[in-house]
Amino acid sequence: GAGVSQSPSNKVTEKGKDVELRCDPISGHTALYWYRQSLGQGLEFLIYFQGNSAPDKSGLPSDRFSAERTGGSVSTLTIQRTQQEDSAVYLCASSLRYEQYFGPGTRLTVT
Amino acid sequence: DAKTTQPTSMDCAEGRAANLPCNHSTISGNEYVYWYRQIHSQGPQYIIHGLKNNETNEMASLIITEDRKSSTLILPHATLRDTAVYYCIVRVMDSSYKLIFGSGTRLLVRP
Repeated sequence: GAGVSQSPSNKVTEKGKDVELRCDPISGHTALYWYRQSLGQGLEFLIYFQGNSAPDKSGLPSDRFSAERTGGSVSTLTIQRTQQEDSAVYLCASSLRYEQYFGPGTRLTVT
Repeated sequence: DAKTTQPTSMDCAEGRAANLPCNHSTISGNEYVYWYRQIHSQGPQYIIHGLKNNETNEMASLIITEDRKSSTLILPHATLRDTAVYYCIVRVMDSSYKLIFGSGTRLLVRP
């Protein structure tokens, strides 16, 4: 079946602009996660959605970052007033039980 | 979640077994050992997980010591496509919870 999909696959933006990254989880998966991976760095948790519960936003690096999940399915990660240090691969994952399925990621480059 | 320690890098010959160690000396009784891997330019992929018994699936085997302070992931017949960064993660068995990734082990499978 279809896996987790993310769009766009690549995004180049100018410093100060806002960007939106989209994640389509596997159908039926109740949990959705966002992570990011900076060049040469490990994966960093950002935010987690579970059903109708309040999201766990403990990993968001600043208030410029926000995310929403509409209808318990598609999620959008928004970064306002992008900075060069926001350049990274943003990964989305979804899960139903014990294993998380990751999408291919969106590579964000802030110039 | 308990912290894990893994070697920075390893290599093995194609066709041979790859044995990747992980130390998790502060693991709690309700924490499981998970393994994920990340092939270059892809999202992480779930491999296997276990609590205290040895586990095997189509991808790998997981050997956990009796005191649960360390474990070994075994790829029985490594192929070039197994070249990746392997992450050992310890976490409670909650079907939907963030993963805390360390730096992992970079495995290089040599032809």
